[in-house]
Amino acid sequence: EIVMTQSPATLSVSPGERATLSCRATQSVSSNLAWYQQKPGQAPRLLIYGASTRATGIPARFSGSGSGTEFTLTISSLQSEDFAVYYCQQYNNWPLTFGPGTKVDIK
Amino acid sequence: EVQLLESGGGLVQPGGSLRLSCAASGFTFSSYSMAWVRQAPGKGLEWVSIISGSGGTTYYADSVKGRFTISRDNSENTLYLQMNSLRAADTAVYYCAKKMVVVAGSDWFDPWGQGTLVTVSS
Repeated sequence: EIVMTQSPATLSVSPGERATLSCRATQSVSSNLAWYQQKPGQAPRLLIYGASTRATGIPARFSGSGSGTEFTLTISSLQSEDFAVYYCQQYNNWPLTFGPGTKVDIK
Repeated sequence: EVQLLESGGGLVQPGGSLRLSCAASGFTFSSYSMAWVRQAPGKGLEWVSIISGSGGTTYYADSVKGRFTISRDNSENTLYLQMNSLRAADTAVYYCAKKMVVVAGSDWFDPWGQGTLVTVSS
């Protein structure tokens, strides 16, 4: 099983600042990686797939990069609605696995 | 608009059974793989199971293999998860999720339903 790790566990950021979230896999997942955003009491929402392709309707301030075992989600200028938990998911191998999440909160 | 509406959650005793349903609308249900993903209270996401559009191919997480069965009724646009031999560790919100594209191997999900809570406790 591919284990996904995310860092940091919590990221405190001021509105308007840049946030950089990391996701690592224990073996290569090529570019088969997705990112989701989850707000309290809500279902996850797809942000990025294929490591770097934004899903429909996702603002351009969200960008993904990386391949192999190391990936990054960048939020260029945090808006109030971006404070949430972010999960990465690999879909290169079964079973599908998620990272433990990074919580982005207000500094 | 794609909509997914889960139902069937509730309180069940350890060792008991429950069947979850997910009613889908707004897309050609039979064309898309569908999945169940769960989230224990205060915890992260855990993929549970996936079923192909035809229903002929299924995969399970090791944690539920042999106890849970995923199925679908394409005539009713409904996804199911039959859960047997339930354990306290199965307590979670269960989300159904649509695979975004029909391409094989592209197993990311969009959208997700709002979830249904399953509580396993005596």
